[in-house]
Amino acid sequence: DTGVSQDPRHKITKRGQNVTFRCDPISEHNRLYWYRQTLGQGPEFLTYFQNEAQLEKSRLLSDRFSAERPKGSFSTLEIQRTEQGDSAMYLCASSLVSAGGDTQYFGPGTRLTVL
Amino acid sequence: GESVGLHLPTLSVQEGDNSIINCAYSNSASDYFIWYKQESGKGPQFIIDIRSNMDKRQGQRVTVLLNKTVKHLSLQIAATQPGDSAVYFCAESSNDYKLSFGAGTTVTVRA
Repeated sequence: DTGVSQDPRHKITKRGQNVTFRCDPISEHNRLYWYRQTLGQGPEFLTYFQNEAQLEKSRLLSDRFSAERPKGSFSTLEIQRTEQGDSAMYLCASSLVSAGGDTQYFGPGTRLTVL
Repeated sequence: GESVGLHLPTLSVQEGDNSIINCAYSNSASDYFIWYKQESGKGPQFIIDIRSNMDKRQGQRVTVLLNKTVKHLSLQIAATQPGDSAVYFCAESSNDYKLSFGAGTTVTVRA
């Protein structure tokens, strides 16, 4: 399978704990995006990278959230001191920017439950 | 901020009939639109996209129509099948990276 992969698929944690999610984009895609989706809603943009540079962060991304893409390939999203309001599906997408467009392809998501 | 929304939260369609899912957007600067299908427990799956310099685009069993005058987008699915049951999202972008999604339409196909 050459699609976007995410790990873990599910994470249950206690409030106050730190969690880290990983995203592996489609090979050679130069952009990588993180979105958050709560039940019954569409995904909300969190941040994106072009290669290793983080170019935009949403106001949704509080100081407890940090994302990295150190070598311009996989990315990690860390949430420190988790709160119950962080419970959501965290989606990663990747795209190849070209003259023809920037279609984003999504991974299966990591479902986070904070108890 | 401006966002994309859908007209109806649910749509029930008979297997074999055509489905039409509607979406309204408010950002006149949007120049890229995309439809995704999301099945339970899975990530959004790309269906079809369209740029603002077009008003119609066709794929396999799907057609997207864009009416910029009234800021309206629709997805037509021909000969709807049970596997088409899912939540459908439209999304728009005005800056080539950030997608803004609506709340989605849940399509249920009746056998």
